[in-house]
Amino acid sequence: GDSVTQMEGPVTLSEEAFLTINCTYTATGYPSLFWYVQYPGEGLQLLLKATKADDKGSNKGFEATYRKETTSFHLEKGSVQVSDSAVYFCALSRSSNTGKLIFGQGTTLQVKP
Amino acid sequence: EPEVTQTPSHQVTQMGQEVILRCVPISNHLYFYWYRQILGQKVEFLVSFYNNEISEKSEIFDDQFSVERPDGSNFTLKIRSTKLEDSAMYFCASHISSSGNTIYFGEGSWLTVV
Repeated sequence: GDSVTQMEGPVTLSEEAFLTINCTYTATGYPSLFWYVQYPGEGLQLLLKATKADDKGSNKGFEATYRKETTSFHLEKGSVQVSDSAVYFCALSRSSNTGKLIFGQGTTLQVKP
Repeated sequence: EPEVTQTPSHQVTQMGQEVILRCVPISNHLYFYWYRQILGQKVEFLVSFYNNEISEKSEIFDDQFSVERPDGSNFTLKIRSTKLEDSAMYFCASHISSSGNTIYFGEGSWLTVV
């Protein structure tokens, strides 16, 4: 069945460091791919998405490119801030119209000043 | 910014008791979902609901679980006889069905079964 695998956390970085959180997926067809973020005490928020191969999603300085050849959707940010500390979830859905998401296990990011 | 609200934020219940988790989706949304996350594990899809009926459910969503939209605004998840393994964070979500739409999640209800 469909699945998403994320790199193990926690990831601890200093402010202004470069961030990569790896995400790979297994799915038939052409799923849509998402990154969600959960800040402490809050719900899941959509960070960015890509609905077809080679699309790049971007938001708040974060970006991820849908790579079908490597079945990956790695999250990157050039310079992290303390306020980026959160749990990041990679997810896929069979269609951009569905709310049925398959999530990775989440990666905790801690950014230290 | 529209939001999905969930109550309670945290509930502790005895094993075997019934629990109802409540959600108020965004008012013009048409599709509703429940997900859960057992501590340290993945967020898992439980059920989707559209037009007053379940449209899809996972194998986790057995006869102990039910969902309802009793009054056109609330969307509830009922667990009839809770088990220890039901302890988890339960997330409600909603969206409008249109191309490229965003799914909005609530903050979650943390259920502890003792």
